[in-house]
Amino acid sequence: AQTVTQSQPEMSVQEAETVTLSCTYDTSESDYYLFWYKQPPSRQMILVIRQEAYKQQNATENRFSVNFQKAAKSFSLKISDSQLGDAAMYFCAYRSPPSNTGKLIFGQGTTLQVKP
Amino acid sequence: DAGVTQSPTHLIKTRGQQVTLRCSPKSGHDTVSWYQQALGQGPQFIFQYYEEEERQRGNFPDRFSGHQFPNYSSELNVNALLLGDSALYLCASSLYRYEQYFGPGTRLTVT
Repeated sequence: AQTVTQSQPEMSVQEAETVTLSCTYDTSESDYYLFWYKQPPSRQMILVIRQEAYKQQNATENRFSVNFQKAAKSFSLKISDSQLGDAAMYFCAYRSPPSNTGKLIFGQGTTLQVKP
Repeated sequence: DAGVTQSPTHLIKTRGQQVTLRCSPKSGHDTVSWYQQALGQGPQFIFQYYEEEERQRGNFPDRFSGHQFPNYSSELNVNALLLGDSALYLCASSLYRYEQYFGPGTRLTVT
């Protein structure tokens, strides 16, 4: 069975600084997808960034980028130029390919605090 | 284009009662997945509906059941509520098993 582990329950960063959130996963599948979701107090789960396992290039979305290490089964999220609006709970998630289950498996989450 | 909608936003039930939560998928989506998120935890997969049938199921008891209608909307039913069923219930829709889009959730409190 696939598992996702986030070892940092809480992180804090100064506004305008950079922070990295860690995630490791375990799977025997070769084709899968990895995601970072943001969940603010409003509870709405917002997709931040996605990475297809077959792509070697790390995904980037504006201030958000990932460091995908497939052999190490590591998938970290870097937030540059942190803003107050980035404060939220962040979840790393794994998704099996559509040919399998397609269900999402989430980590326990990391609460990010942004200090002004 | 409306996104995924869920109703109600919040409800309070008593132990032993039954509850029904509703989800309308994003336009063009045909698959609905349900997740349970306990306070301070990551969401846990309950089940997934496609073509009006339950296609995948997580590790949840039979007290949790669902339904998908011809218009792709879905319901989640929970019978014999327990205190431990208190959680945020998230619905996500997708085109088959591709990218999932989440609704705002329903907060269920069992007293």
